[in-house]
Amino acid sequence: KNEVEQSPQNLTAQEGEFITINCSYSVGISALHWLQQHPGGGIVSLFMLSSGKKKHGRLIATINIQEKHSSLHITASHPRDSAVYICAVGPTGNQFYFGTGTSLTVIP
Amino acid sequence: GAVVSQHPSRVICKSGTSVKIECRSLDFQATTMFWYRQFPKQSLMLMATSNEGSKATYEQGVEKDKFLINHASLTLSTLTVTSAHPEDSSFYICSARDSGGVRLYNEQFFGPGTRLTVL
Repeated sequence: KNEVEQSPQNLTAQEGEFITINCSYSVGISALHWLQQHPGGGIVSLFMLSSGKKKHGRLIATINIQEKHSSLHITASHPRDSAVYICAVGPTGNQFYFGTGTSLTVIP
Repeated sequence: GAVVSQHPSRVICKSGTSVKIECRSLDFQATTMFWYRQFPKQSLMLMATSNEGSKATYEQGVEKDKFLINHASLTLSTLTVTSAHPEDSSFYICSARDSGGVRLYNEQFFGPGTRLTVL
């Protein structure tokens, strides 16, 4: 069993749709990251959070520590949002645990 | 916000040559940096932990003589892939832990990654 589980693995949406990506984890954490990886591979840190909710533009991230669950929401999705979204939790000691990613495709 | 940079972003090299990848924390000090590798369609895997002024700690299965890590300053860690082979082709990502100040948790920031292709 993976320490970090993401769902869905693949997601296709129409432009303008509201998108939710979920992350559940089983390890103790000090912080949870949402990362965006573009097709060329480059990684962008979207959020780092340890409680509550953060918003940046059309992106919202929430975390529920008791339930060990986080969600990433994208409002008014756009084709440029197409990327792989990775949930990472940790560190526990030096160890970060990564989800396998959610591949998002937004169709015009 | 804090920024971690990597250079180069992409590199193509011939088999048998060595490649150096730099990871820099741009606006904070990082006594600890981490190097990850990502193969296609897979998660990031921790390769090693780089500590400023001391030897790196390698994860099981990672050859320390092949992946040389140097963390000579509080803002720079380098990963050198020695005698690279096609199977070393991968995406290498670093992250840096902010060691300045007092925080409730160790804030860690990710670099954008380096795509290595070995021909």
